[in-house]
Amino acid sequence: NAGVTQTPKFQVLKTGQSMTLQCAQDMNHNSMYWYRQDPGMGLRLIYYSASEGTTDKGEVPNGYNVSRLNKREFSLRLESAAPSQTSVYFCASSRGTYNEQFFGPGTRLTVL
Amino acid sequence: GESVGLHLPTLSVQEGDNSIINCAYSNSASDYFIWYKQESGKGPQFIIDIRSNMDKRQGQRVTVLLNKTVKHLSLQIAATQPGDSAVYFCAENHNYGQNFVFGPGTRLSVLP
Repeated sequence: NAGVTQTPKFQVLKTGQSMTLQCAQDMNHNSMYWYRQDPGMGLRLIYYSASEGTTDKGEVPNGYNVSRLNKREFSLRLESAAPSQTSVYFCASSRGTYNEQFFGPGTRLTVL
Repeated sequence: GESVGLHLPTLSVQEGDNSIINCAYSNSASDYFIWYKQESGKGPQFIIDIRSNMDKRQGQRVTVLLNKTVKHLSLQIAATQPGDSAVYFCAENHNYGQNFVFGPGTRLSVLP
C-alpha cells in the first residue's frame, strides 16, 4: 500500500496562475482533508470531505476549491495564486470522524 | 476563542531520559485528542490518541495523559532516542466532525 500520495512534490507559480494539487489514498478511507502548514506553525484545515460526494470548508478556505473525484481522490485547486498561498500543503485521509489521520508527504508551493 | 497551544516551543533532552511535551486546550467541549510526530520534510505521523472519557493511554514507549479539569494534555516518551527528534503536535476535535485544531508544535531535540 502506498498510503496517501500527493503530486507534485514541489511547484513554483507566478501570481495569478492556477494549479491543482492532486491527492490519492489506497486505504479505502471515507474522509479526506487538505491542510496548509506555514513556517513554525501547526496545520490549518483548508477543506475536508467527510465522505465521497461531500465537501466542507475548514478554517482557511478562501482562495481554494476542492473536488472529491471519487473515494480515492481529493484535489485542491488554486484558481489565482497569491504570494500568501506560499506554504506546504498536506493531504490526509481517515477511516471516519474519530480516527487517526494519515498524511501524505506534502507539496511545497511557492508563489512569486 | 478556541485554541490549542503548547507550553514549551522547544525541548532538549539527553538520550535515554524521559521526555514530557505539554499541550493546553481552551475548548471544554473537545472530546478527542491526537498527538502527531513530524520529522523534517515529512508529513505528520500519528503517535497516539485519547478520548475524553479516558485519563491515560499507553502505547509503545509513549503515554498520553489528559487532565480535563485544567484542560491539559501531555505526551510522555520513555527512554528518548535520537530517532524521537522531531516536532510534536497535539490536535483536538470538538465538532463531531472533521475540524481538528492543531497546536503550533514543540521541537524535541535529543542530545547524545
